[in-house]
Amino acid sequence: TQLLEQSPQFLSIQEGENLTVYCNSSSVFSSLQWYRQEPGEGPVLLVTVVTGGEVKKLKRLTFQFGDARKDSSLHITAAQPGDTGLYLCKGAGDMRFGAGTRLTVKP
Amino acid sequence: KAGVTQTPRYLIKTRGQQVTLSCSPISGHRSVSWYQQTPGQGLQFLFEYFSETQRNKGNFPGRFSGRQFSNSRSEMNVSTLELGDSALYLCASSLASSTYNEQFFGPGTRLTVL
Repeated sequence: TQLLEQSPQFLSIQEGENLTVYCNSSSVFSSLQWYRQEPGEGPVLLVTVVTGGEVKKLKRLTFQFGDARKDSSLHITAAQPGDTGLYLCKGAGDMRFGAGTRLTVKP
Repeated sequence: KAGVTQTPRYLIKTRGQQVTLSCSPISGHRSVSWYQQTPGQGLQFLFEYFSETQRNKGNFPGRFSGRQFSNSRSEMNVSTLELGDSALYLCASSLASSTYNEQFFGPGTRLTVL
């Protein structure tokens, strides 16, 4: 079983739309990482959120860490086909990843 | 700086055989972790090695084993292959503990068991 639950599992949208994906847990984490895996490649770290309530922006991607440090969200503004991939979250102190959200952005 | 390399990239085996996969971490990285990725189960943690010692282990049967050499290169072995072992096997390296630090992944080895 996954310690981290990610939703939705699949998401298919048109270019230019906004979206939010979630990573939830019953456990408290000292920090949480988001990775993106593109087809044919290994996952790549996007961001690490550390402080409860923290918001980090990476161009059109906005990451938020919940106040209680049990959950996190990733919001993408004006999605582009290059955002297509599998988005994974991982909590500090744990080797396991969430099941991921598979995002497809259609041109 | 070279990234994580995995060999071979593709492998086809038959049931009952054994297989050895290799991973070369980024220079200076001492931690190597292995993951199995399948469409149904997602990314599943196999084990982590640090300075030649297994530090963490996932919930996989004993048919899955690994080791790390003094130069931090790592191998994983799967014995008595089963159809369900068909998967993408990913290796990741990090400077120190993989539980807290950024992991750098290789492109994976695609194993098909017939």
